[in-house]
Amino acid sequence: GENVEQHPSTLSVQEGDSAVIKCTYSDSASNYFPWYKQELGKRPQLIIDIRSNVGEKKDQRIAVTLNKTAKHFSLHITETQPEDSAVYFCAAHNTDKLIFGTGTRLQVFP
Amino acid sequence: DARVTQTPRDKVTEMGQEVTMRCQPILGHNTVFWYRQTMMQGLELLAYFRNRAPLDDSGMPKDRFSAEMPDATLATLKIQPSEPRDSAVYFCASGSAGRGHMSYNEQFFGPGTRLTVL
Repeated sequence: GENVEQHPSTLSVQEGDSAVIKCTYSDSASNYFPWYKQELGKRPQLIIDIRSNVGEKKDQRIAVTLNKTAKHFSLHITETQPEDSAVYFCAAHNTDKLIFGTGTRLQVFP
Repeated sequence: DARVTQTPRDKVTEMGQEVTMRCQPILGHNTVFWYRQTMMQGLELLAYFRNRAPLDDSGMPKDRFSAEMPDATLATLKIQPSEPRDSAVYFCASGSAGRGHMSYNEQFFGPGTRLTVL
């Protein structure tokens, strides 16, 4: 079955710096890769996603890149702000379900 | 805007008691997922349904957990008997999927049920 690894588990950055979170997946049949943000005590919410026929997607300060050959995808947050502080989960869609990574706790210090 | 709802939001119970958690998916969504999350760890898939039929419940301890969809507007997750190690936040999520392995869409999460078993 599919396995998704996510790194790093924690990430601390200064406000205004960039943050990068990386995920790898094992099954080349996976075809959809969403990223979820979960604030403390809240539900996970989709922030950006990418499908397997696209290499990069951008939405304001966040972007996701996908390398199908290497089976890895990354989340990039530029000009980080304190409100970006949260846990971020990557996921890979495989046979009807999402397989989630273990999460990255991002802290943005003012 | 449409949201997944879950009840109760918080549940404290004693070991051995039965616990039932309920989820109302977004109207029109045909796929429902149950996840468990402990101490802000990863999201562990317990079971999921499509068009009310269970597709996979391999993530659930079968001896004490059961999941059902009595109708298209209600999904339930039951634990009987509950144990302290079941303490976690249980999330329900819904989405829509068509036929075939290439159909996929965003999963929308409910607010979760925080379960504490003493």
